[in-house]
Amino acid sequence: DAGVTQSPTHLIKTRGQHVTLRCSPISGHKSVSWYQQVLGQGPQFIFQYYEKEERGRGNFPDRFSARQFPNYSSELNVNALLLGDSALYLCASSYGQGLEQYFGPGTRLTVT
Amino acid sequence: LAKTTQPISMDSYEGQEVNITCSHNNIATNDYITWYQQFPSQGPRFIIQGYKTKVTNEVASLFIPADRKSSTLSLPRVSLSDTAVYYCLVGAGSYQLTFGKGTKLSVIP
Repeated sequence: DAGVTQSPTHLIKTRGQHVTLRCSPISGHKSVSWYQQVLGQGPQFIFQYYEKEERGRGNFPDRFSARQFPNYSSELNVNALLLGDSALYLCASSYGQGLEQYFGPGTRLTVT
Repeated sequence: LAKTTQPISMDSYEGQEVNITCSHNNIATNDYITWYQQFPSQGPRFIIQGYKTKVTNEVASLFIPADRKSSTLSLPRVSLSDTAVYYCLVGAGSYQLTFGKGTKLSVIP
């Protein structure tokens, strides 16, 4: 069975630009969560979507937004990119809202 | 949200049992304890989850005392491939998960 997939793998953007990251959950999983991981730190929770509704939001500015589609895939959007947004962005899926999540390989975003 | 405290790093020789302890003094009644493993440039991987007493799977064991204010992840007979960062998380649902800095385990040949 395919695991969680994310695209693109790597991305380089300029300050002020906008970026869209995509995630496909494991088949049958209805929950998708997004995390930001800066080098040397643990993943920081950004959003959780369950059954296409936002169920949780971390301490991130409004420049960050997300949505979940009817097929349970998800997009994370970041506007007005800052240098500090450079990080590994991880997507995780789970069947419900339980603690056992399956993470994708991440998207490495570099903002110059 | 319950905050967790775990050692920043640990070293172990191959073949030894490794125990990583996590402190979570403010754990709530509905909270579960979950451990993840992360290799460099990869997403975290779920290891084990428990509520109280002892849980064992094919990878690890999780020991939780009666007061639930701490927990210990036990990795039997570690190998070089167990070198990774291990995270202890506490919460009632994935919408509450907070990763700390984790414990960097280095396995020495």
